Amino acid sequence: QQNVQQSPESLIVPEGARTSLNCTFSDSASQYFWWYRQHSGKAPKALMSIFSNGEKEEGRFTIHLNKASLHFSLHIRDSQPSDSALYLCAVKGSGTYQRFGTGTKLQVVP
Amino acid sequence: EAAVTQSPRNKVAVTGGKVTLSCNQTNNHNNMYWYRQDTGHGLRLIHYSYGAGSTEKGDIPDGYKASRPSQENFSLILELATPSQTSVYFCASGGQGAHEQYFGPGTRLTVL
Repeated sequence: QQNVQQSPESLIVPEGARTSLNCTFSDSASQYFWWYRQHSGKAPKALMSIFSNGEKEEGRFTIHLNKASLHFSLHIRDSQPSDSALYLCAVKGSGTYQRFGTGTKLQVVP
Repeated sequence: EAAVTQSPRNKVAVTGGKVTLSCNQTNNHNNMYWYRQDTGHGLRLIHYSYGAGSTEKGDIPDGYKASRPSQENFSLILELATPSQTSVYFCASGGQGAHEQYFGPGTRLTVL
């Protein structure tokens, strides 16, 4: 069964900092990888996805994927208070559905 | 924008009572999902469905049943609610393979 782990559990960074969130998975046949963002009291919403090794950038957000290391990450450049949220990674392996990590709670302080 | 709605948004139930949580999607997605979210556990999949008439067990199905009477509607049923089922429940819909999931606003369930 796919095991998805996130680190750190929580993070406090100053406004303008570069933030890095990590996700590891156990199924080497995993094909699809997402980051979801969930603001307090709201529903999770997909932020970015990546399906092949390498890097993908969208605005201030960048995903890195290294399938051989069973690891992918989300990097936020110039972090803003509005980025404060719970970040969930999700992985779809050889099974039929996505599995989510336990989340990283990010707080960006002015 | 994909739309998923849930009802009720808040529910207080008594131990041993029956609870039904409802979900409706207007995205015409085949796949629908029920999750619960508890601090420290992220989103855990309870049941999912590939289409009308189908239900499948997720990672934590014990104590829950599901029903998918139509493409648009997916229900989660707690026949005998227990305090351990106090949680926030999210419904989601999604397409096949690489498609993301779209979540409803959640239902906060308290079982006393």
